[in-house]
This record gives sequence, structure tokens and C-alpha cells, in this order.
Amino acid sequence: EPEVTQTPSHQVTQMGQEVILRCVPISNHLYFYWYRQILGQKVEFLVSFYNNEISEKSEIFDDQFSVERPDGSNFTLKIRSTKLEDSAMYFCASGRVRSNTEAFFGQGTRLTVV
Amino acid sequence: QKEVEQNSGPLSVPEGAIASLNCTYSDRGSQSFFWYRQYSGKSPELIMFIYSNGDKEDGRFTAQLNKASQYVSLLIRDSQPSDSATYLCAVNIDGGSQGNLIFGKGTKLSVKP
Repeated sequence: EPEVTQTPSHQVTQMGQEVILRCVPISNHLYFYWYRQILGQKVEFLVSFYNNEISEKSEIFDDQFSVERPDGSNFTLKIRSTKLEDSAMYFCASGRVRSNTEAFFGQGTRLTVV
Repeated sequence: QKEVEQNSGPLSVPEGAIASLNCTYSDRGSQSFFWYRQYSGKSPELIMFIYSNGDKEDGRFTAQLNKASQYVSLLIRDSQPSDSATYLCAVNIDGGSQGNLIFGKGTKLSVKP
């Protein structure tokens, strides 16, 4: 069964460092999303991406964040200068159509900023 | 501020019983409603979605939507220990598009053998 794959599963980084979280969406999917979940908190929408551009983003997704689909298979989330409060589980999701009925989540990357 | 509220639980039910999970939302413009299951340390898994008022059944799961009361619920019949998880209610105000979901904090369900 096809699945969304995220790497690494756990990333530890020092405050102020840049991190790139990687995702390989399901191959025929066209819509891509990033969410985050701070430990014990709600899942929060960050950004959606379609046709090589951002479709929608939340207030969380400020200038420190960027997304890219560099090679037609990977979908990355970059945090330029990490802060302690960026520590969270980051989930990538992809969908074949716009509706959330088709969105599948990856297993997540746990980011720990120290 | 658009909010989705859920009782955090834990909700404990015996095996074979019906588990009833509830969710309220603040934005009357909400269009589509989703229930996700999240096992500890895992990613959310979509189990049900509903767009129209009324009931929608899928196997042991029934989603109920009442837009006038801004209320959505999930019933799990014949609950199994494997149903023990946190159930997340999510709402989209944009007609189900673009993935901009507002999640509740989730209700932790424990099904006792």
C-alpha cells in the first residue's frame, strides 16, 4: 500500500540552526500539506502546496518557514533559524484531490530544538 | 478565533459497548467535518468525514452532524480494545479543500476488555 514517507523520524538541532524536514508524498498525489503537533497539543495546519506554489498558509507559517518540491518527488519544510518553541512533531500529508477525504499523513518527524 | 472543542477524556467504555465522542465548533461557516484516530506517538488516520446534516454510517462508525447546534459526534459500536486511541475532530471552513483543518485537542478513548 502506498504511503507518505518522512525523514528523519527524529531530528535534534541547536537553537538558531536551520533544519530541513523531508517528505516523499504518494506518487500520483498533487496536493501536499505540512502540519505540526506540539507535545500534548492540537494538530495545527501550517501550509498547503499545489502546482509548485503555496495554496494557503496559517499564521504559524511565518518567514522562518519555507516549503519546496525540489525534484518532483520530495516535499520539504525548511525552518531557517529554529527556536525552542519549534519543537514538535511535524506531519506531512498528501492528497490526490483537494478534498481532505483523500489526504494521507506520513508517520511524522519529531523535531527537538535544544 | 475559530475553535474546535472536545472533551479530553479519558472516556472509558467496556468492550462491546458503544463509545460516543462529541465535538463542537465555533465557526458557522464550517463546511466539512472529519474524525481522525491517533494512536500514541503516531500520525492521525482519517476514519470518517461528513458534510451534510444527519448521520453517516461506515461499518462500526457513525458520524452525526447538526449544523444548527454546531455539533458533530462519532459513535463507535461494538468497541474493541484496538479502538483505544485519541480521536481528533477536525473542521474545514473552505468546503473541504486545501487541507486547512482546525483540529480539536482530541478525546482519549480507552476500551477495557
